[in-house]
Order: sequence, then structure tokens, then C-alpha cells
Amino acid sequence: DAGVIQSPRHEVTEMGQEVTLRCKPISGHNSLFWYRQTMMRGLELLIYFNNNVPIDDSGMPEDRFSAKMPNASFSTLKIQPSEPRDSAVYFCASSSRTGINEQFFGPGTRLTVL
Amino acid sequence: GDSVTQMEGPVTLSEEAFLTINCTYTATGYPSLFWYVQYPGEGLQLLLKATKADDKGSNKGFEATYRKETTSFHLEKGSVQVSDSAVYFCALQGQGAQKLVFGQGTRLTINP
Repeated sequence: DAGVIQSPRHEVTEMGQEVTLRCKPISGHNSLFWYRQTMMRGLELLIYFNNNVPIDDSGMPEDRFSAKMPNASFSTLKIQPSEPRDSAVYFCASSSRTGINEQFFGPGTRLTVL
Repeated sequence: GDSVTQMEGPVTLSEEAFLTINCTYTATGYPSLFWYVQYPGEGLQLLLKATKADDKGSNKGFEATYRKETTSFHLEKGSVQVSDSAVYFCALQGQGAQKLVFGQGTRLTINP
């Protein structure tokens, strides 16, 4: 079975450019999570969705960040405009809401903003 | 709010050594506790979990026991291998919550 799929795996862009990260959750999972990982701040939850609806976006750093989930099999995280301090690894994870919610992580997107 | 504190890394051991990575938590009620592992260049994978006090989670020779009296969930392995080199994250999920709260991670390196 395919796990969580993220694209691109690596992104290098210049400050001020728009960046879009993509995620396909595991089929049948109805919760989706976006995380950011940096050396300084560790692993931070940015936002999560249940049944395509954003539930908690309190971790989104500022208005430059936005996330959407137009359907059960696709989500995007957009940064516009990007800044060097956004450089990080961004992970998407999905889970089923039944029982204890083990989260399955994708391989991550390594973003570098120059 | 809920929080997780892990022992500072990095940790470097020789092959076949005994491993302990300490994890303590602060939470109200009865959280579920997890250990995730991140191998180089990969996402996090669930290693083991425990959902109530005194439960022991185990997988791949790793164990952790949910100790409510000491609010701890220490990870142990009796004999580590080079392939165990990775970053280990302790996490909790509050009672009735969906969010995972992660510790800062502990980088483990095993030398042959």
C-alpha cells in the first residue's frame, strides 16, 4: 500500500517567490496534519484537517502561510511570499479517526529559501 | 498546556550497549504516549505506543512503560545495533485530543 505521498521532495527557491507543497494522504484516512521541522524549533504542528475541514490552524506562523484540502486525497501548503526563515523540512501526516490515532508521516519536503 | 521533555542528545553508544532515552511529560487526564523514530532522510515512523498507565509498548527490541506516578515513558533497548542510529521522538496525545505533542528529539548514533 502506498504511504503518504509528498511532492516535491526538495524545493529551492528565492526569497519572495510563492511555494506550494503537496500531500496525498493514505486512502481512507480522514485526518491530515502539516508539520514543520527545524533544528531550532524541532517539530511543530502547523495545521490539521478532519474530513477536509481545517480544525486547528493555531500553529500557522503568519498570514504568508495557507493550507487547503479540496478533497479527501489532496492537500496543499502554500507560502507566499517565501522568506529565508521558512527554510525547513515540511511533513504531512495522515491518520484514521478510529481508536488511538497513529499518525503516518510522509517523507517530507526539504525547502530552502535563498 | 501539554508538553514532553526528552533527554538532551546526541547520544553515542557502541554496538550491543544498553540504551535508555528518558522522556517525561506534563498533561491533564490520561494521555496516550508514543515513541516515533526518524531515520536519515525519512519521515517519522511509529515505533511503539502505550495508551494507559502501566502499559508496556514494545517493538523491534525497544520497550517503554507508561509510568503515571513519575509521568515518564523512557525508551530502552538491551542491545543496540548500528541500524538503530536515528532520531527518536517521544510524543503524547491528550485524552480526547487528536494533536500529537512532540519532544525535541534525541539523536542516537551507534558505532560498530
